[in-house]
Amino acid sequence: DTEVTQTPKHLVMGMTNKKSLKCEQHMGHRAMYWYKQKAKKPPELMFVYSYEKLSINESVPSRFSPECPNSSLLNLHLHALQPEDSALYLCASGGGASPGSYEQYFGPGTRLTVT
Amino acid sequence: AQSVSQHNHHVILSEAASLELGCNYSYGGTVNLFWYVQYPGQHLQLLLKYFSGDPLVKGIKGFEAEFIKSKFSFNLRKPSVQWSDTAEYFCAVIPGRGGYNKLIFGAGTRLAVHP
Repeated sequence: DTEVTQTPKHLVMGMTNKKSLKCEQHMGHRAMYWYKQKAKKPPELMFVYSYEKLSINESVPSRFSPECPNSSLLNLHLHALQPEDSALYLCASGGGASPGSYEQYFGPGTRLTVT
Repeated sequence: AQSVSQHNHHVILSEAASLELGCNYSYGGTVNLFWYVQYPGQHLQLLLKYFSGDPLVKGIKGFEAEFIKSKFSFNLRKPSVQWSDTAEYFCAVIPGRGGYNKLIFGAGTRLAVHP
């Protein structure tokens, strides 16, 4: 099973709101990722957690705050977002036991609209 | 900067036609290569991957790709497409010996297959 689940599927929030996106995987993967995808564009990496520690932050604004409570869960806390932050937010996981298994498995995403 | 180029942004084919989608990357060292597919309304799915060994790799749904190191290419092929192959296809690279790093995506190719 290569399933990554994300909640909620859709989120509408105002610029002063605080909300969180959640991601879960039960494949024993060692790394989890947040990507942002704008319409008709490829995904762009935001953060990587490996072994539950933040290993890559692609210079993401501080209004996005990731959290990895345990090896199966990944959160993205949102605060004071801007309308241009509206996008599809994708979670991925990867890194199994096999050599060279660096492929990433994506969840369905949360479609975020900032009003 | 490292980049991935997909030559065709839109491809239109009739059912049973053969498919080849081009992908070139700019990184000169070891690479991990992937093709992902995004069907309408669905999440990104891994079609196939290459990290070492036989440069001709087979994936799901009858797709295959060939890694040609001298050409920095990883083209996707399918001998006979079906209407259900209508989707967006992304080539992606993890430069170096893999690891829990970001996927660098190409811009994507939208494939439309007409019955």
